[in-house]
Amino acid sequence: EAGVAQSPRYKIIEKRQSVAFWCNPISGHATLYWYQQILGQGPKLLIQFQNNGVVDDSQLPKDRFSAERLKGVDSTLKIQPAKLEDSAVYLCASRLQGFTEAFFGQGTRLTVV
Amino acid sequence: GESVGLHLPTLSVQEGDNSIINCAYSNSASDYFIWYKQESGKGPQFIIDIRSNMDKRQGQRVTVLLNKTVKHLSLQIAATQPGDSAVYFCAENNDYKLSFGAGTTVTVRA
Repeated sequence: EAGVAQSPRYKIIEKRQSVAFWCNPISGHATLYWYQQILGQGPKLLIQFQNNGVVDDSQLPKDRFSAERLKGVDSTLKIQPAKLEDSAVYLCASRLQGFTEAFFGQGTRLTVV
Repeated sequence: GESVGLHLPTLSVQEGDNSIINCAYSNSASDYFIWYKQESGKGPQFIIDIRSNMDKRQGQRVTVLLNKTVKHLSLQIAATQPGDSAVYFCAENNDYKLSFGAGTTVTVRA
């Protein structure tokens, strides 16, 4: 079974630039999550989708971060403009409805300089 | 706010010994708890979970204990192997939202 796919694996940008990350969840998984993991910390939930609807985006900095899942499958997370403190690994995870286990992708490591 | 946390940031274990990783939580409404393992450069990988109405669950070489009285859970790894070296996170689930603690880095000594 294919896992959660994310791209790119690495990205280096200058502050105030914009960046986008892509996630392809496991086929059939209705729930999709984006997490931010700062070095040395646990993942922090940014946004949770159920199909193409947002379930929770309370911790998403909406002045600069946006995310969409238009067809209820792939998702993109965008940062515009980026700040130095956005340097982190951005993890995408998906879960099959009715099950507890969430499967994570390898993440995108973002460095803002 | 309520959060999940781990007692120790690092743990060094001799190969073959048993490991115990501890976690304290504060949200009594959480309906289940999960342990994840994260190796360098990879995303977190599910190890085992336990529902709030249980106090013990066993898997292959791993056991999770839940003490709701003191809001504490632990992960026990039997016969620790070099491949067990990783960062371990406990997470609590509320309404299918996972909240993670800071993690414990486990280093296995040969």
